[in-house]
Amino acid sequence: GDSVTQMEGPVTLSEEAFLTINCTYTATGYPSLFWYVQYPGEGLQLLLKATKADDKGSNKGFEATYRKETTSFHLEKGSVQVSDSAVYFCALSVGGGADGLTFGKGTHLIIQP
Amino acid sequence: GAGVSQSPSNKVTEKGKDVELRCDPISGHTALYWYRQRLGQGLEFLIYFQGNSAPDKSGLPSDRFSAERTGESVSTLTIQRTQQEDSAVYLCASSSTGFRNTQYFGPGTRLTVL
Repeated sequence: GDSVTQMEGPVTLSEEAFLTINCTYTATGYPSLFWYVQYPGEGLQLLLKATKADDKGSNKGFEATYRKETTSFHLEKGSVQVSDSAVYFCALSVGGGADGLTFGKGTHLIIQP
Repeated sequence: GAGVSQSPSNKVTEKGKDVELRCDPISGHTALYWYRQRLGQGLEFLIYFQGNSAPDKSGLPSDRFSAERTGESVSTLTIQRTQQEDSAVYLCASSSTGFRNTQYFGPGTRLTVL
């Protein structure tokens, strides 16, 4: 079946550090890929997405590129801020009537000042 | 409405009781999804409604779980004879038609089974 694997946390970084959160997937068909974020005390919200190979999703300084050859969608940010502290979820959807998202387990990111 | 709403926000129940959770999707969204988030784990897909098509129930963990949707509006998730392992945050999401579209999530219902 479809699955998403992302690095386990917590990941602790200093402010202005470079961030990479790895995400790889296994899917039948041609999935769309998503990063969702859950800030403390808030609901889940979309951070960025990519719907075809080599697409780059970007938002709030975060980027992720859909790599079909390596089945990956790693999340990156050049300079993190304390306000980026949250739980980040990588997810995919394959459609064909099975439109529910398959999520990774989430990565808890802690940014220290 | 402005976003997906869910009620109640918190529900505490005793083992063996039935519970009903409600979701109001964004107006005009034809697709509606239910997920479960257990403590320390990722989100698990439960069920998906798309317009008037038969729902995709492939994620429901047991026959104690069921869901209904009235047209393209409100949905209720029912858990019968609740067990302690049902304790979780239940999230609802809605989207426009198509799996490539963004799903918008509600705030969730935190269910605690004593």
